[in-house]
Amino acid sequence: AQKVTQAQTEISVVEKEDVTLDCVYETRDTTYYLFWYKQPPSGELVFLIRRNSFDEQNEISGRYSWNFQKSTSSFNFTITASQVVDSAVYFCALSEDTSYDKVIFGPGTSLSVIP
Amino acid sequence: NAGVMQNPRHLVRRRGQEARLRCSPMKGHSHVYWYRQLPEEGLKFMVYLQKENIIDESGMPKERFSAEFPKEGPSILRIQQVVRGDSAAYFCATLSGYTDTQYFGPGTRLTVL
Repeated sequence: AQKVTQAQTEISVVEKEDVTLDCVYETRDTTYYLFWYKQPPSGELVFLIRRNSFDEQNEISGRYSWNFQKSTSSFNFTITASQVVDSAVYFCALSEDTSYDKVIFGPGTSLSVIP
Repeated sequence: NAGVMQNPRHLVRRRGQEARLRCSPMKGHSHVYWYRQLPEEGLKFMVYLQKENIIDESGMPKERFSAEFPKEGPSILRIQQVVRGDSAAYFCATLSGYTDTQYFGPGTRLTVL
């Protein structure tokens, strides 16, 4: 069975600190996709990234970076020089398919960035 | 190019009534996904549609829930005979089919009294 674990329920950091959000997944499939989503306090959902299981290269997008390690079944998300606007709940997700539909979400990590 | 639109943003229904949630994709987007966020259960996929076709409804409850995405007009998620347990935030997301980026609507918050 597929499962996504985000062990950190809540994290607080001071602005400009770096922060890493952990995501550990379980799947028996050899082909799968991993995702991160952001949900700010306003409540909307924002898609951040989709990564397939064959691509273990780290991804960097501005202050965001993702570290995919198949050996540890982890897909961690790092925010560098955090800002107050990064305060949100972040969801990691896993899909056994190429599409976005068979996706299993983790419980989310609530990040508070304190000015 | 307008973003994904959902309406209404807030919907209050009494038990037994029907709820209709609408999702208008971005121009050129032909894939629609519906998700539900329940207070204690987190985010869950419900249904995936393309124009006039339901591709995957494995996440949708078998009874009282239905979804459509007609050739013209928005995608509609319909909940018949609502119960208190249907109270949740319902999000739709769309995809163009040519990129990997999903775009979400602002969500509809359904409250069942």
